[in-house]
Amino acid sequence: EVQLVQSGAEVKKPGESLKISCKGSGYTFRSHWIDWVRQVPGKGLEWIGVIYPADSDITYSPSFQGQVTISADKSNTTAYLQWGSLKASDTAMYYCARHGVDGNYADFWGQGTLVTVSS
Amino acid sequence: DIQMTQSPSTLSASVGDRVTITCRASQSFDYWLAWYQQKPGKAPKLLIYKASSLEPGVPSRFSGRGSGTEFTLTVSSVQPDDFATYYCQQYASYPYTFGQGTKLEIK
Repeated sequence: EVQLVQSGAEVKKPGESLKISCKGSGYTFRSHWIDWVRQVPGKGLEWIGVIYPADSDITYSPSFQGQVTISADKSNTTAYLQWGSLKASDTAMYYCARHGVDGNYADFWGQGTLVTVSS
Repeated sequence: DIQMTQSPSTLSASVGDRVTITCRASQSFDYWLAWYQQKPGKAPKLLIYKASSLEPGVPSRFSGRGSGTEFTLTVSSVQPDDFATYYCQQYASYPYTFGQGTKLEIK
């Protein structure tokens, strides 16, 4: 069974750093692209970027370039999303999602990690 | 960037109704479009990919069509479990972009 299990909710202060994770299982992790998607409370879905775990090929949305860092550890079948200096506007639910076998749509999603940034 | 515009933003329907959601793209592309359903507090769920391919396990009352700049998602007979928010997403070119969402609510 394909699963993406994300790390737990985080409460941070502005200026702090953070790294959240997404562990894949039940499939060949290195062979499927992983998306990261943001959802601000009450708002729509925003695509952050994508990584191919086999070679860590990464593409960011221009809206998020320089604001976050995507990485992956294929030996641990885990993808990561990190911030060097959080802002209140980073408060959101963050989802990871796996690309399908025959296309770059997201066929399996993690349960989401809620990040709250507040002083 | 390809901008995706969904309409309507909110759709009121009764059980058994046929409803259609439209997604328009700012640039033309073939069929690299997906539809997702999201319920409150849950992750999105894939319904349709490649504009018209039904994800296994998704009820056949859901269907998608379109190419170019106009795509549609139709629910042939709305069921109680279908009241949710629906998003389109293009994956034709980076950055992949979502529509703003359509909330299907009970009339």
